[in-house]
Amino acid sequence: NAGVTQTPKFQVLKTGQSMTLQCAQDMNHNSMYWYRQDPGMGLRLIYYSASEGTTDKGEVPNGYNVSRLNKREFSLRLESAAPSQTSVYFCASSLGTGDNSPLHFGNGTRLTVT
Amino acid sequence: KNQVEQSPQSLIILEGKNCTLQCNYTVSPFSNLRWYKQDTGRGPVSLTIMTFSENTKSNGRYTATLDADTKQSSLHITASQLSDSASYICVVSAVAGGYNKLIFGAGTRLAVHP
Repeated sequence: NAGVTQTPKFQVLKTGQSMTLQCAQDMNHNSMYWYRQDPGMGLRLIYYSASEGTTDKGEVPNGYNVSRLNKREFSLRLESAAPSQTSVYFCASSLGTGDNSPLHFGNGTRLTVT
Repeated sequence: KNQVEQSPQSLIILEGKNCTLQCNYTVSPFSNLRWYKQDTGRGPVSLTIMTFSENTKSNGRYTATLDADTKQSSLHITASQLSDSASYICVVSAVAGGYNKLIFGAGTRLAVHP
């Protein structure tokens, strides 16, 4: 099993450009998440999908959109990138959102916006 | 305000030595406390999850403790190895409407030297 797979691994954008970060999991998990990790700070939740067909805002959703394409795939879109969105983005999945199951993380996408 | 604070920010130890990392939290209502290991350039990996009723849990050479009264947790690493060099992240879960909201600490960066 590959677990959680994210693409691309690295990306450089100019201010105003758009891009979509892709995430797929093969663990038959119901819930999926997008986090960003910035130096000196804990991971912050951007959006999550508790189950296929639902999405909800997290702590820092402004400037992002998401799509839960099916049970396996959850994408994150930046419509008009800004330098403040320079970060490392992690996708994660879990069995559910209300239980004690652990999150399984991908290896991240390192995004630089110039 | 829900917060998770970890100390120290960074730590250097010699291979074979033991170390203890600290986590203090102000999160309510408490659901569980998790420790993750994050290798450089990789996503976090779950080490332990403890609920309110558990005060210790082990995973190999890693032992986590939880004192729910003082809202403190520690992660003890025994007989450290070079592969233990990583960031260790404390995560506290608060339950809200059937959803586990995760609050991440900023992590402790551990370097194990030969």
